[in-house]
Amino acid sequence: NAGVTQTPKFQVLKTGQSMTLQCAQDMNHEYMSWYRQDPGMGLRLIHYSVGAGITDQGEVPNGYNVSRSTTEDFPLRLLSAAPSQTSVYFCASSYPRGGENSPLHFGNGTRLTVT
Amino acid sequence: TQLLEQSPQFLSIQEGENLTVYCNSSSVFSSLQWYRQEPGEGPVLLVTVVTGGEVKKLKRLTFQFGDARKDSSLHITAAQPGDTGLYLCRGGSSGGSNYKLTFGKGTLLTVNP
Repeated sequence: NAGVTQTPKFQVLKTGQSMTLQCAQDMNHEYMSWYRQDPGMGLRLIHYSVGAGITDQGEVPNGYNVSRSTTEDFPLRLLSAAPSQTSVYFCASSYPRGGENSPLHFGNGTRLTVT
Repeated sequence: TQLLEQSPQFLSIQEGENLTVYCNSSSVFSSLQWYRQEPGEGPVLLVTVVTGGEVKKLKRLTFQFGDARKDSSLHITAAQPGDTGLYLCRGGSSGGSNYKLTFGKGTLLTVNP
């Protein structure tokens, strides 16, 4: 079972470069989300989606864009990377819609370094 | 946004010892989840508690939801090295957004052989 797949696992960017972090799930989950994890800060919600064509901001959305054209995919775009975006990024999905009783299924993360 | 405070932040113990970690909020939780995250991996759900006073057991792990639904604890009996990891709680307040539940900062547990 693939579950939630994130690519790449590691990435190094220079300040100002752009890139897309990929996330795909094969569980037909409606809800998908992106978190960043920094030392001492826990997991913070960046953006989320409750279905194809629907996205909304989380706690720390600045500097990131998302789109949801299919149920399976939820890419995260960094348009102009900054050192403050150095972090480990996790994608998560759940069914039905990420409510308090819905378990989140996480990918194994993308470790991003911006120099 | 509901703030969840976890304590202790770090815990290092010997194999066979017992331990308890806590997740607290000033607001009432509608429900609360506990996750464990191992190095290099994403968090994995351990349990969801929804009723005040609820106790759930998962092998050597005992989860308790406070009567007032403002706090939760995770107790591990006879800890083993395989219990090493970051323990995270996730919850939301009654009437809050179902889609923006917050995580605590976690308790990093190390069990030494």
